[in-house]
Amino acid sequence: QQPVQSPQAVILREGEDAVINCSSSKALYSVHWYRQKHGEAPVFLMILLKGGEQKGHEKISASFNEKKQQSSLYLTASQLSYSGTYFCGTVPLIQGAQKLVFGQGTRLTINP
Amino acid sequence: DVKVTQSSRYLVKRTGEKVFLECVQDMDHENMFWYRQDPGLGLRLIYFSYDVKMKEKGDIPEGYSVSREKKERFSLILESASTNQTSMYLCASRRALESTDTQYFGPGTRLTVL
Repeated sequence: QQPVQSPQAVILREGEDAVINCSSSKALYSVHWYRQKHGEAPVFLMILLKGGEQKGHEKISASFNEKKQQSSLYLTASQLSYSGTYFCGTVPLIQGAQKLVFGQGTRLTINP
Repeated sequence: DVKVTQSSRYLVKRTGEKVFLECVQDMDHENMFWYRQDPGLGLRLIYFSYDVKMKEKGDIPEGYSVSREKKERFSLILESASTNQTSMYLCASRRALESTDTQYFGPGTRLTVL
């Protein structure tokens, strides 16, 4: 079952902050975050593991709440280059390590 | 530099045609995946392969088959294309079964079935 991302879309001005949420109905082992720019392949941003959180970039960070089975991606002082669609991919505890299950995506638009 | 390539960026086919989508990775990864991407539905797994000649169904395998004869190449086959298979198809590869491994994606093939 796919994780649910919210919001589905968000429009910001350059310099504003954004939060993208990813919720799962299953207990999770890890959460992966990807960004896809229009016409390009999704690119890995960071991974969060059960029992910890990891910051992948200076102004892009994420948290993982195991109890709530959700993760949030934080974009601080957004830049034009942050525009794109963000996907979370989850690895359930039970299922095994092979398959990432992706959310429906959140489209982020940054305007000057 | 890590690379996943797909044979075509754009493809137009007619209903009933047999369609082959090819994917090649140069990272010696064991695992390869085929997803389809549709607006509002995100990335949905069609099939994946964890070794040569080994495959496993994903969440939406109906109407598709796959082939992996060599480690670096993973093909998605639409036996008889239908209009509801019009979509963006993304291939991905991943080194091992560890859930911490990064998954690398190809640029995608936009398939239109008329």
